[in-house]
This record gives sequence, structure tokens and C-alpha cells, in this order.
Amino acid sequence: ELKVEQNPLFLSMQEGKNYTIYCNYSTTSDRLYWYRQDPGKSLESLFVLLSNGAVKQEGRLMASLDTKARLSTLHITAAVHDLSATYFCAVDTEDSNYQLIWGAGTKLIIKP
Amino acid sequence: NAGVTQTPKFRVLKTGQSMTLLCAQDMNHEYMYWYRQDPGMGLRLIHYSVGEGTTAKGEVPDGYNVSRLKKQNFLLGLESAAPSQTSVYFCASARSGANVLTFGAGSRLTVL
Repeated sequence: ELKVEQNPLFLSMQEGKNYTIYCNYSTTSDRLYWYRQDPGKSLESLFVLLSNGAVKQEGRLMASLDTKARLSTLHITAAVHDLSATYFCAVDTEDSNYQLIWGAGTKLIIKP
Repeated sequence: NAGVTQTPKFRVLKTGQSMTLLCAQDMNHEYMYWYRQDPGMGLRLIHYSVGEGTTAKGEVPDGYNVSRLKKQNFLLGLESAAPSQTSVYFCASARSGANVLTFGAGSRLTVL
């Protein structure tokens, strides 16, 4: 069964701190996606990681991919309140007919 | 540029009633998707389309039907609504061969 597991599912942290969200997946895939969802809003694409060792950064967010470990990380540096949101990772594989399989999401609350 | 537009945004149905959700995109995207989002479960794919006149089943297709008569529109129908279909429904679109999705704002459906 294709599975994408995120942890933690909930994270409350103070502004200025660093933290990492983990995304594990159960099948061979070279493509991993990170999306952000603000409360009550839609989802928007953050990063697409297309190969082993890929690293993408935008502002205080950095995502990386290790296809051998089937693991992606989303690292938050010096968190600010505006980064409060739910973050989803997703993968696509031949087994899923290249449709995205989603993690459950990590709800991140950053306190001022 | 409107992107992906969903109507209606909110709807309350009684068990057994039928309804149609409309998704329209103005980006000339080939691929369109219908997802449902339930608390703690991420997004689950209901149906998708890889081009005008084509549709395919996703992970949770039972109780739903879809049509893609025009490239820009993707309709999701519930023939006989059930309380288990209470959810937030998201439509998304993508260029051919990419899984960087553009999402609509969502449609909140409650079935009593």
C-alpha cells in the first residue's frame, strides 16, 4: 500500500526557533511535493523536489529529498508567525498512475 | 486571471439529494482533479481528467460522478448524497505531465 507519513502532525513553536518536519513515503518515487494551506484557505505549491539530493529554499523554508531513505524534510529557520499553516507533502509514482499520494499534513502554529 | 474557480462555496444537503459542483479554470490546463479533504486525512483523490472528454477514477470514487465536456470545466456530481460525503471539496488543475497543482478555494458540503 502506498503511504505517505508526516511527523509531527501538530507542532507549536515560538518565533525565532528552528524546526524540521519529516515526510516518509513507502514506495519508490523520485518526485516529492510540498504544499502549504492557510486555515480555511486553499493549498499552494511550495517546492517540487525531482531527484535524490535535491534541495530547494525560499525564505525561511528549506526542503530536501533523500530518495534512498524515502525521506523528505522541510526545515524552518528562525520561525515567524506568518509561517503558521498546515504543510503537506505528496509523492507521485508509477504505482499510483502518477497521481499524488498525500500525507496527512503538519499543522504548524508559531507563537509570537 | 481567475485561476481555478469553484461553485458553490458552501452547500447543505439532505440525505438522498443530488447536486453538482462546478470547477472552471482559465489557464488552459490539460489535467483537472477533484479531491476531498477530511480532518487528519490529507487529501484524497476522487476523480481526475487528463484532457477534454476523459475521466478516470481516483482513490475514493464511489458515490461520485464527473464529466469533462469542455477543457476548462470539470463537474463533480453526487447522485444521492450521504452524510459520509460531508467534506471540503477541492478542485485543482495542472499542465500536462506536471503535478504542480493550482487549487480552487474549496467547496464545503454538509449532508444532514
